[in-house]
Amino acid sequence: GQQVMQIPQYQHVQEGEDFTTYCNSSTTLSNIQWYKQRPGGHPVFLIQLVKSGEVKKQKRLTFQFGEAKKNSSLHITATQTTDVGTYFCAEHNDYKLSFGAGTTVTVRA
Amino acid sequence: EAGVTQSPTHLIKTRGQQATLRCSPISGHTSVYWYQQALGLGLQFLLWYDEGEERNRGNFPPRFSGRQFPNYSSELNVNALELEDSALYLCASSLGLAADTQYFGPGTRLTVL
Repeated sequence: GQQVMQIPQYQHVQEGEDFTTYCNSSTTLSNIQWYKQRPGGHPVFLIQLVKSGEVKKQKRLTFQFGEAKKNSSLHITATQTTDVGTYFCAEHNDYKLSFGAGTTVTVRA
Repeated sequence: EAGVTQSPTHLIKTRGQQATLRCSPISGHTSVYWYQQALGLGLQFLLWYDEGEERNRGNFPPRFSGRQFPNYSSELNVNALELEDSALYLCASSLGLAADTQYFGPGTRLTVL
């Protein structure tokens, strides 16, 4: 089964608003990676977090790794229609990726 | 630089048949990974090949198998197809054992009727 749990499963956002998706684990994670999959597309690597409490930003996206390395979040500000897709978190361990179920984001214009 | 390529794009089979899916990694990448993305089940790790060897295997039955060729391309074979094998099969490649980032191909959509 999946080691990482993602919430919410679906996120409907008004264009221009902010939202956050969360990734939680019952065990300490070695690292956390985030991927985006556009509708009909394939997962595309966004970022990797390794250190406790690490925060990284990519334009309107802010990624955070919890102090205990058991959770992570992705916060998107001023949502745009280009943000539509499914965001996955994944742990890279034993040379494989263990994915969360993903948060599927739709945007209302 | 070309990305990961997969063929065919779509594949339709009937129950009991065999399916062969192909993947070519990014030039210079030696590791190839296979994932299954079935509706409602998310992305599940299937197999990892590096330098021609199977290095790790996910929780799938033995009828899912594969190999990696000397040029690092890879095949995924699924024998005795079942309806629940219908899914998008994604291949990813990376620079090898030390690499964390995996680059995904566009996938093969397998439909089992």
